[in-house]
Amino acid sequence: QIQLVQSGVDVKKPGASVKVSCKASGYIFVEYGISWVRQAPGQGLEWMGWISGYTGHTRYAQKFHDRVIMTTDTSTSTAYLELRSLRSDDSAIYYCAKDETYISSSGFLDFWGQGALVTVSS
Amino acid sequence: QSVLTQPPSVSGAPGQRVTISCSGSSSNIGSGHDVNWYRQLPGTAPQLLIYGNSNRPSGVPDRFSASKSGASASLAITGLQAEDEADYFCQSFDTSLTGSRVFGTGTKVTVL
Repeated sequence: QIQLVQSGVDVKKPGASVKVSCKASGYIFVEYGISWVRQAPGQGLEWMGWISGYTGHTRYAQKFHDRVIMTTDTSTSTAYLELRSLRSDDSAIYYCAKDETYISSSGFLDFWGQGALVTVSS
Repeated sequence: QSVLTQPPSVSGAPGQRVTISCSGSSSNIGSGHDVNWYRQLPGTAPQLLIYGNSNRPSGVPDRFSASKSGASASLAITGLQAEDEADYFCQSFDTSLTGSRVFGTGTKVTVL
């Protein structure tokens, strides 16, 4: 069965960086992509960006383009999200989700990780 | 931040029908881009409920249906059940910037 297993809880100070992992299993990693979505406490879903499991190409939401780096390790079928210059309003649950290998308007997120809680506090 | 607008909440009694609207614009739904719907049960990750405007993944009951018209979409739940109490989000693709996935503001469904 398809599973996305994410790293756990992380607490960071403002200005620091955080790196969240997402290990995929049950499907061929390089035939799909990964989107990252975050959800602040009590808030809605916010798409952060996408990475192709095949090419490593990325597309970031405009809001995050100068602070986010998405990477993959195809040898372990793992995707990574790094967010820099953390602020208190970056405190959220960060989800990875299986996406298309080439992002398009017809894509959808059919499997999700369990989420990784990141708290930014001094 | 969200470019797709949903009502904050809808409610209904068990067995009733409720609908959730998702209003977009010419740069997303109105451009013909697909709409997908997700359900998020309390304390859990979102789950795909509808893809490609009106298609249900395997395992999703036919009580859930969706449609799209112009720059808007809607999700209908018939025969409302207690376990349908959750947050529901629409999602599409927006081409106003670099081309990105966008989510709706979310709707809390309460079963009375």
